[in-house]
Amino acid sequence: DGGITQSPKYLFRKEGQNVTLSCEQNLNHDAMYWYRQDPGQGLRLIYYSQIVNDFQKGDIAEGYSVSREKKESFPLTVTSAQKNPTAFYLCASSKGRTPEAFFGQGTRLTVV
Amino acid sequence: GDSVTQMEGPVTLSEEAFLTINCTYTATGYPSLFWYVQYPGEGLQLLLKATKADDKGSNKGFEATYRKETTSFHLEKGSVQVSDSAVYFCALGLYSGGGADGLTFGKGTHLIIQP
Repeated sequence: DGGITQSPKYLFRKEGQNVTLSCEQNLNHDAMYWYRQDPGQGLRLIYYSQIVNDFQKGDIAEGYSVSREKKESFPLTVTSAQKNPTAFYLCASSKGRTPEAFFGQGTRLTVV
Repeated sequence: GDSVTQMEGPVTLSEEAFLTINCTYTATGYPSLFWYVQYPGEGLQLLLKATKADDKGSNKGFEATYRKETTSFHLEKGSVQVSDSAVYFCALGLYSGGGADGLTFGKGTHLIIQP
């Protein structure tokens, strides 16, 4: 079945460490997105990519980095510069010419 | 900038009650509108959508009509079930010509249905 796979589901990180969240899709979608979800704040866009080897900052890109070397993959790195990284991270994809997005199951990151 | 405002919960109803969750939006262009649902610990699932004025999206007994004159997209269901308990997000999306550049979400409404 086609879909979006995020791994791991739960991730613990020590302060000062970088960590990379995985997102893979087999929907043949051109566009991919990363959102951050905090309680009571809805979802906020971190980065998005409309095509391989190209990506743009979203509303809250500081302290994060991404790459898009393959159409299927859009990993997110949470760097030590991100001041408050504990959150639920959601990856999504769309056909690119429509804004309708399909979401993965999320990764819950906790800084300990 | 673009924004979505939806009623914040929690909203608590009894089973078989009528549901309305209000959603209004502000957008610079002509957006598509969406309702997503999130169950605990999971990602978001698309519930329904509408792409132009007066379109009605519907799915699983839920409905919402794209009202351009009132910039609204209220979610309704005639008779809710305990299994409808979840968080509901209203969202808008714009196609910029170069491609879709992400959705703008409301803060979510936590719906609790009591038996």
